[in-house]
Amino acid sequence: ETGVTQSPTHLIKTRGQQVTLRCSSQSGHNTVSWYQQALGQGPQFIFQYYREEENGRGNFPPRFSGLQFPNYSSELNVNALELDDSALYLCASSQQTSSYNEQFFGPGTRLTVL
Amino acid sequence: AQSVSQHNHHVILSEAASLELGCNYSYGGTVNLFWYVQYPGQHLQLLLKYFSGDPLVKGIKGFEAEFIKSKFSFNLRKPSVQWSDTAEYFCAVIPTLSGTYKYIFGTGTRLKVLA
Repeated sequence: ETGVTQSPTHLIKTRGQQVTLRCSSQSGHNTVSWYQQALGQGPQFIFQYYREEENGRGNFPPRFSGLQFPNYSSELNVNALELDDSALYLCASSQQTSSYNEQFFGPGTRLTVL
Repeated sequence: AQSVSQHNHHVILSEAASLELGCNYSYGGTVNLFWYVQYPGQHLQLLLKYFSGDPLVKGIKGFEAEFIKSKFSFNLRKPSVQWSDTAEYFCAVIPTLSGTYKYIFGTGTRLKVLA
């Protein structure tokens, strides 16, 4: 069984640029959630995708957008990057969108915005 | 707003000492509760979870947690820590009626165990 994978591992961008982060969910999982973890903070929920549809969004501006593909992998896109977007971005997958389903986390993508 | 508080940001213990990490949440309804651990250089891993039933739950590696509904708390405990328990620990809740099954995480507690 393959776990959750994310790419790239690290990324450096400059203000105003756009970035795409990728996530492959664990086998058998159809739900992907994205979290932002700033330094010294706990992960903050960005949004969740269930069967290719957005299923809830946290307090993030519209320049944070996402996609889920038929194979349940997912992308997080961030436009017009700001310095405060520097963080670890975590992807988590689960079998269903339910509070009873454990979410399995990937290793994260470390984004640095200069 | 729903939130999770972890009062101890940094904890340093010697091996064999007992551990208790506090976690309180603010939400009036039913929640599911989790503790995750992040070892250095590794991804978040589930330690234990509580959905219902016995409020004392046991997890992996000798950890346990107690849900006290009246105190909105879900404290993590381990009777005797080991050097390998050095990690960051996150408490998380999911309000069961939120409609979006997102984790609300605390800010984490960094535990250092001295050999």
